[in-house]
Amino acid sequence: DTAVSQTPKYLVTQMGNDKSIKCEQNLGHDTMYWYKQDSKKFLKIMFSYNNKELIINETVPNRFSPKSPDKAHLNLHINSLELGDSAVYFCASSSLNWTGNTGELFFGEGSRLTVL
Amino acid sequence: AQSVAQPEDQVNVAEGNPLTVKCTYSVSGNPYLFWYVQYPNRGLQFLLKYITGDNLVKGSYGFEAEFNKSQTSFHLKKPSALVSDSALYFCAVRRTGGFKTIFGAGTRLFVKA
Repeated sequence: DTAVSQTPKYLVTQMGNDKSIKCEQNLGHDTMYWYKQDSKKFLKIMFSYNNKELIINETVPNRFSPKSPDKAHLNLHINSLELGDSAVYFCASSSLNWTGNTGELFFGEGSRLTVL
Repeated sequence: AQSVAQPEDQVNVAEGNPLTVKCTYSVSGNPYLFWYVQYPNRGLQFLLKYITGDNLVKGSYGFEAEFNKSQTSFHLKKPSALVSDSALYFCAVRRTGGFKTIFGAGTRLFVKA
């Protein structure tokens, strides 16, 4: 039973299109994240939600919009895709909450987005 | 602000030899430090973490890491490398009380048979 699952695993699309990536975790965690890994494998944090509330919003173009319908799900919608959006997008979850704890991140397998 | 530096893009080691992958960090306050491993076309997997206490932390697959506060370092080590250890290794830091985990650029480990 996969702990953090993302769909789709691969996306190939044209510039200007809109696409969504979905993420679900069955670990009972309160906090979820989106990270972007570029072609040089550098990982950049994009967003984080804690119990459906946005708590981290890095300097990401507003074409990227996350949504968390409940604490087990975090989706990422991208409008007007550009060539530079091509990357692997990782969802992660953690037991971190406002009372602390030392929770490490549990990652999904990634969604590879290719914009042509 | 938080940052992590992994000074080596690549580390090469022969199977059976000890390995070290270096990491230094910068964070305000007390750090939580982590190592993750990524195999090709996979997500990152947690290896070990330092929270507080003993400076030598043991983790999965025989890996360990040593926290050095004065040098702000958290180097990953293994006494005897395996070919199957070949992968991309990431050091990460989060400040105590924060939600943001920042990753280093990664170090590719090659273990030769």
